[in-house]
Amino acid sequence: QKEVEQNSGPLSVPEGAIASLNCTYSDRVSQSFFWYRQYSGKSPELIMSIYSNGDKEDGRFTAQLNKASQYVSLLIRDSQPSDSATYLCAVNGRDDKIIFGKGTRLHILP
Amino acid sequence: GAGVSQSPSNKVTEKGKDVELRCDPISGHTALYWYRQSLGQGLEFLIYFQGNSAPDKSGLPSDRFSAERTGGSVSTLTIQRTQQEDSAVYLCASSLLANTQYFGPGTRLTVL
Repeated sequence: QKEVEQNSGPLSVPEGAIASLNCTYSDRVSQSFFWYRQYSGKSPELIMSIYSNGDKEDGRFTAQLNKASQYVSLLIRDSQPSDSATYLCAVNGRDDKIIFGKGTRLHILP
Repeated sequence: GAGVSQSPSNKVTEKGKDVELRCDPISGHTALYWYRQSLGQGLEFLIYFQGNSAPDKSGLPSDRFSAERTGGSVSTLTIQRTQQEDSAVYLCASSLLANTQYFGPGTRLTVL
């Protein structure tokens, strides 16, 4: 079982709709969860971090964490073409090492 | 404040040559990571430092790859006898313990 799993996509969402990105992880002791965005040819940049069960909102972005089910999701409201990118889920594992998923490619359709 | 810096930004080398890639993390960050990313692919973990020690070297593809970190700061990734399949973008990231990682701009390595 992979440590952090994401659907590779591409996920196509019409402009203005809600994009929903999902991630599951295998290590129950994980405490820190991150979503990164990576534009083509650029380095990943942090969008959200979440540490507690429930929802965390920041502008158009909402991160959701469910430790019992071992999944974390990212919702993007009012999707814009500029949101088109690869979204990487990251989780802390053993030895405090951060583990990344392979990423989900998101396409926002104008 | 200064972010993570990497040098060189681009490196073109001939097959069989050795290369050294440098990463300067954010000051005070204890953890440092090296990743490799081929075109259109995800992040491939190479090695992780906590301070000067490397608890996890499991991602290094072969014994041609090595890395060190000195003074809990600068890290160097060395690739010996480069092969064409080593061509990729090499990314460095630093963080404070298991917190947010901040990525450098990467080094684009091309092996001819």
